[in-house]
Amino acid sequence: QKEVEQDPGPLSVPEGAIVSLNCTYSNSAFQYFMWYRQYSRKGPELLMYTYSSGNKEDGRFTAQVDKSSKYISLFIRDSQPSDSATYLCAMSGGGGTSYGKLTFGQGTILTVHP
Amino acid sequence: NAGVTQTPKFQVLKTGQSMTLQCAQDMNHEYMSWYRQDPGMGLRLIHYSVGAGITDQGEVPNGYNVSRSTTEDFPLRLLSAAPSQTSVYFCASSYSGSQPQHFGDGTRLSIL
Repeated sequence: QKEVEQDPGPLSVPEGAIVSLNCTYSNSAFQYFMWYRQYSRKGPELLMYTYSSGNKEDGRFTAQVDKSSKYISLFIRDSQPSDSATYLCAMSGGGGTSYGKLTFGQGTILTVHP
Repeated sequence: NAGVTQTPKFQVLKTGQSMTLQCAQDMNHEYMSWYRQDPGMGLRLIHYSVGAGITDQGEVPNGYNVSRSTTEDFPLRLLSAAPSQTSVYFCASSYSGSQPQHFGDGTRLSIL
């Protein structure tokens, strides 16, 4: 079983919809949680970065972390065609140099159609 | 400020050849990492470095070698290329282990 599980989709929604993306994980030592967006033939771009449990909002994006359930989510409000991309969850932690080692989910392919 | 720069963008190799993928960052970041991305697998850590002269293995290190002689550069060497190493390779850097990593745009490598 993978350390981080993410539904690969693909997920297709109409413009303006609320999108919910999720990851579960098994390593309770993870403390830092990230969401990256990756457009075709480009590198991952950091969207959201949170430490420990709680919510964080940035414009149309909200990240939630529930460490007790080992579950993280990314919500996209008023989705736009420009949001069409692959979304990757990533996490790290555990002490020492483990903080610099990211473990990724498989990525979810999202398409927002006009 | 160029961020993380990877060269080349594309490369085709024959089995058994060696090559070096270059990665440079101009943000004075201490942490640098190499990942490979394969369909359905997400990104997997190959090697990482927490500063000049210090490197360590990640999840899939076999067949790859790294060194870090300067803060700016972190090259990845393929010693004897194999078809299983066909992948997209990403380099990333961060100021510290508790800060998010910033990625380059990748090197697409095909091994025939």
